[in-house]
Amino acid sequence: SSELTQDPDVSVALGQTVRITCQGDSLRNYYASWYQQRPGQAPVLVIYGKNNRPSGIPDRFSGSRSGSTASLTITGAQAEDEADYYCNSRDSSGNHVVFGGGTKLTVL
Amino acid sequence: QVQLQESGPGLVKPSETLSLTCTVSGGSISTGDYFWSWIRQPPGKGLEWIGSVYFTGNTYNNPSLESRVALSVDTSKNQFSLNLKSVTAADTAVYFCARTFGVNYFDYWGLGTLVPVSS
Repeated sequence: SSELTQDPDVSVALGQTVRITCQGDSLRNYYASWYQQRPGQAPVLVIYGKNNRPSGIPDRFSGSRSGSTASLTITGAQAEDEADYYCNSRDSSGNHVVFGGGTKLTVL
Repeated sequence: QVQLQESGPGLVKPSETLSLTCTVSGGSISTGDYFWSWIRQPPGKGLEWIGSVYFTGNTYNNPSLESRVALSVDTSKNQFSLNLKSVTAADTAVYFCARTFGVNYFDYWGLGTLVPVSS
């Protein structure tokens, strides 16, 4: 079982804003990172640290944290944002990496 | 631009050892800021961290796999490797290698390689 919990399915209307969450006690001490994975492809890092985007990631992607919950927000979702999204961070010991179970985002 | 490429056998038999190598190009594996990691994804399921290795050979492994996992690095070839022993069908997955900043986030990934475990 994962120490990070994500909702399995989330949907958003085209152009609207959606928040994908990741819950876990370790997130009180460590930032989450977020990955987008399209079918048949490798994951792509979209957010890391407090709220940092790698080069080439659109600014409609943003990250935040409140207590033990990290969030990935997509402001003005596009059709190409339909994908699986995974969070990751360290576990409670701080010595190992854990992934959330993933959220399938559907853009309607 | 850093690129990673997994290589290894396409099929492994139960009870045998799964061996994969990741070749890094476009950057040195000896760069001090980074670990080099293996992550896997069973068909239709989520991502699972296997372990991470530093260029000095220091490793961090997933506690659930630690007894079966060995990670190593060959700086002369700019490669790092995974050995997973005593495999079962539950080890069937796409195996990814990735560059890791600290033990935090994975910024560059290989394309992944599917390794079925079957007799």
